[in-house]
Amino acid sequence: DAGVIQSPRHEVTEMGQEVTLRCKPISGHNSLFWYRQTMMRGLELLIYFNNNVPIDDSGMPEDRFSAKMPNASFSTLKIQPSEPRDSAVYFCASCPNRGLDYGYTFGSGTRLTVV
Amino acid sequence: QKEVEQDPGPLSVPEGAIVSLNCTYSNSAFQYFMWYRQYSRKGPELLMYTYSSGNKEDGRFTAQVDKSSKYISLFIRDSQPSDSATYLCAMSEDSGGYQKVTFGTGTKLQVIP
Repeated sequence: DAGVIQSPRHEVTEMGQEVTLRCKPISGHNSLFWYRQTMMRGLELLIYFNNNVPIDDSGMPEDRFSAKMPNASFSTLKIQPSEPRDSAVYFCASCPNRGLDYGYTFGSGTRLTVV
Repeated sequence: QKEVEQDPGPLSVPEGAIVSLNCTYSNSAFQYFMWYRQYSRKGPELLMYTYSSGNKEDGRFTAQVDKSSKYISLFIRDSQPSDSATYLCAMSEDSGGYQKVTFGTGTKLQVIP
């Protein structure tokens, strides 16, 4: 398996523009997570999907952020409009079931810079 | 106060040294305790996972949990340059039927040859 695949790897955009980040989880993993990582705050959970259904979106910062999972093999995180404070590395992670026994498998992340 | 506190480092040690990495936490509801390793420009990967207080060993790595003190540690024996990475502690609690994971901010480790 190729692991969790995220695209793009890097994104530079101007303030106010729409940004869409993409994730393909590992086949057979029915839990998917979006995290944001910054130096100051570390890894923060944004949203958790189980079987394509959003279960916990309490970490989504505000209405500018939205996430979808239309099927088991694809998820998107959208920021509209983007702001400089959204600059961070965004990770997608997946795991089988709801358990932690094998840990989360993270993608390599999307480094977002909003100027 | 953050739920999980971790010294950011950086921690620099010579090759072969024993490394001790630590986290403290305030949430008594945390049930599972993990250590992840993150190389530069990569996503974190699971190193160790434990549920109960006590020690768990895996090769050169030992994870220690003290629930009474709300303190967890990761020990690395015979450290190698390839161990140079950021180490994140992580803890989980039941949140509406799933284990919600909270990560520390990470400790950056450099092992010097």
